[in-house]
Amino acid sequence: DGGITQSPKYLFRKEGQNVTLSCEQNLNHDAMYWYRQDPGQGLRLIYYSQIVNDFQKGDIAEGYSVSREKKESFPLTVTSAQKNPTAFYLCASNAEYSNQPQHFGDGTRLSIL
Amino acid sequence: GEDVEQSLFLSVREGDSSVINCTYTDSSSTYLYWYKQEPGAGLQLLTYIFSNMDMKQDQRLTVLLNKKDKHLSLRIADTQTGDSAIYFCAESWSGGYQKVTFGTGTKLQVIP
Repeated sequence: DGGITQSPKYLFRKEGQNVTLSCEQNLNHDAMYWYRQDPGQGLRLIYYSQIVNDFQKGDIAEGYSVSREKKESFPLTVTSAQKNPTAFYLCASNAEYSNQPQHFGDGTRLSIL
Repeated sequence: GEDVEQSLFLSVREGDSSVINCTYTDSSSTYLYWYKQEPGAGLQLLTYIFSNMDMKQDQRLTVLLNKKDKHLSLRIADTQTGDSAIYFCAESWSGGYQKVTFGTGTKLQVIP
């Protein structure tokens, strides 16, 4: 079955450490997105990519980095510069960069040790 | 800026209809979506409506769009305990990429 796979499901970060969240899709979608979800809030866009080797900052990109070396993969790195990283992170993709609904993975919950 | 508002909480009895409401601010929206999120999971697309439509029905789900008032609603008929979740309204428009703004979500509690 096609879908979006995020791993790990739970992740813990120590102070000063960078961590990378994985997102893989086999839907042959061009566009991929990373969102952050905090309790009682909607989703906020971190980064998005419309095509391989290209990505753009979203609304809250500071303290995060991404890469898009393959169409299927869009990993997110939470750097030590992100001072409040505890949140639920969601990866999404869609077939075109406009109008098609975004489909989501099951998320990664990041906590601070 | 763009804003999507939803009430935070709704409680209904099993078998009743649920109506979840949403207001949005951007009149240039192209699509409006309803997503469902169960605890610890991602968002599941339930249904969506193009902005030039007034209504869409899909089995137990009915979406109503009032463009004049920028009001969107999701009606769930014969609500079941499995419908308990957070429901997100979202709007999108094309601006070089698909920019989507999500509401804060409405937590639906179904009482047996």
